[in-house]
Amino acid sequence: DARVTQTPRDKVTEMGQEVTMRCQPILGHNTVFWYRQTMMQGLELLAYFRNRAPLDDSGMPKDRFSAEMPDATLATLKIQPSEPRDSAVYFCASGYGETQYFGPGTRLLVL
Amino acid sequence: QKEVEQDPGPLSVPEGAIVSLNCTYSNSAFQYFMWYRQYSRKGPELLMYTYSSGNKEDGRFTAQVDKSSKYISLFIRDSQPSDSATYLCAMSVIAAGKSTFGDGTTLTVKP
Repeated sequence: DARVTQTPRDKVTEMGQEVTMRCQPILGHNTVFWYRQTMMQGLELLAYFRNRAPLDDSGMPKDRFSAEMPDATLATLKIQPSEPRDSAVYFCASGYGETQYFGPGTRLLVL
Repeated sequence: QKEVEQDPGPLSVPEGAIVSLNCTYSNSAFQYFMWYRQYSRKGPELLMYTYSSGNKEDGRFTAQVDKSSKYISLFIRDSQPSDSATYLCAMSVIAAGKSTFGDGTTLTVKP
C-alpha cells in the first residue's frame, strides 16, 4: 500500500533556527504539494511541483521559506529563520490528476 | 470572500443518523469535486471524487454536486462513531493541477 512519508513527525525548535522537513511522494505521482494547516487558517497551499518543476509558490513567505525537489523521490521544505508564527502542521501530498494523497504531517512548534 | 465556503460546525449527531455536509463555491470553472476525511492528528485522506454534476454513491457515502447552485453535499447514512472526523471539501479546475479546499466541518457521532 503506497503512502506519502514525511520526516520528522514532530519538531520543536527555538526561534531563529533552521527547520528542514522532508517528504517522499508516492512513486509514479507527478505532482507534489506542500500545505500548512492551522486552526485559524485551515489548510493553506504553500507550493507545488509538477514533474519536479516548481509551478506555484505564491503561498509561501519567500524571505524565509524555500521548497525544492532535488529528485523524484524527495521534496524538501525549509524555514530559515523560523518564527513562532510558523508553528503549524505541515503536510506533503502527492498526486496524478485531480486527487491528492497526503502524508501524516510534520507538527512544528517554534518557541 | 473565500472561493469555497464550508460551515466549520462542530456537528454532533447520534449513531445511526443521516449526516449532511455541505460546501458552496463561487468559481463556476470548478469541474472536479472531492471530499477528504481527516482524523485527529492524521493527514486528510480522499473519500470521494466526482466530476461535474450528479451523484456518486460509495457504500454509506453519497456525494452530490449541483453546479447550477454551486453547491456540493456529502451524505453519510447510518453514521458510526468511526465517522467522527473533520470533512474537507475540495474543488479544482480542469488541468489546474491544484485544488481549493474548504476549511472543514468537524463531525462527532455519539454512540
